Amino acid sequence: KNEVEQSPQNLTAQEGEFITINCSYSVGISALHWLQQHPGGGIVSLFMLSSGKKKHGRLIATINIQEKHSSLHITASHPRDSAVYICAAHYGGATNKLIFGTGTLLAVQP
Amino acid sequence: AAGVIQSPRHLIKEKRETATLKCYPIPRHDTVYWYQQGPGQDPQFLISFYEKMQSDKGSIPDRFSAQQFSDYHSELNMSSLELGDSALYFCASSLAGPGQGFAYEQYFGPGTRLTVT
Repeated sequence: KNEVEQSPQNLTAQEGEFITINCSYSVGISALHWLQQHPGGGIVSLFMLSSGKKKHGRLIATINIQEKHSSLHITASHPRDSAVYICAAHYGGATNKLIFGTGTLLAVQP
Repeated sequence: AAGVIQSPRHLIKEKRETATLKCYPIPRHDTVYWYQQGPGQDPQFLISFYEKMQSDKGSIPDRFSAQQFSDYHSELNMSSLELGDSALYFCASSLAGPGQGFAYEQYFGPGTRLTVT
């Protein structure tokens, strides 16, 4: 069982739809990253959060530490949002390494 | 703003050859992480360095070695390459290293795509 799991694995949406991607993790963490990876590979950090909620443009990320659960929301989705979205648990402490989730492949159709 | 630089961006090697991947962190970042992402797989942590010392080690084969230099750039050396080493290798950097009690955001480079034939 992966320490970090995401759902859904694949998501197809119509332009303008509200999108939610979920992430759950099995152990205590110090923070959680949401990352975006486009075809061709480059990874961009969208958010790092350890509590509450963060918003950047049309993206919103929330985390519930007690429930070990985080969500990434995209409002008014657009075809350019099509990418793989990855949550990665940051264990901090003695190591800052990231444990990556399985990724969600999002396709937004015009 | 300066980002993490990786070189080369693409590399093609034959089996049993060696490869060296380089990573230049964001200025003033003292910690470097290496991740390997195989085709269709999640990135996996390989190794990290803080202030030129290895800070953590993940699923890195013994054929691979890495180091961080005095200017904080890092190199991942891969020997006796195998077909299964074909992957995208990411380097990330952050401002502070382990044991700080906080999580510091990691910034990723564009990756080096290694193809072993």
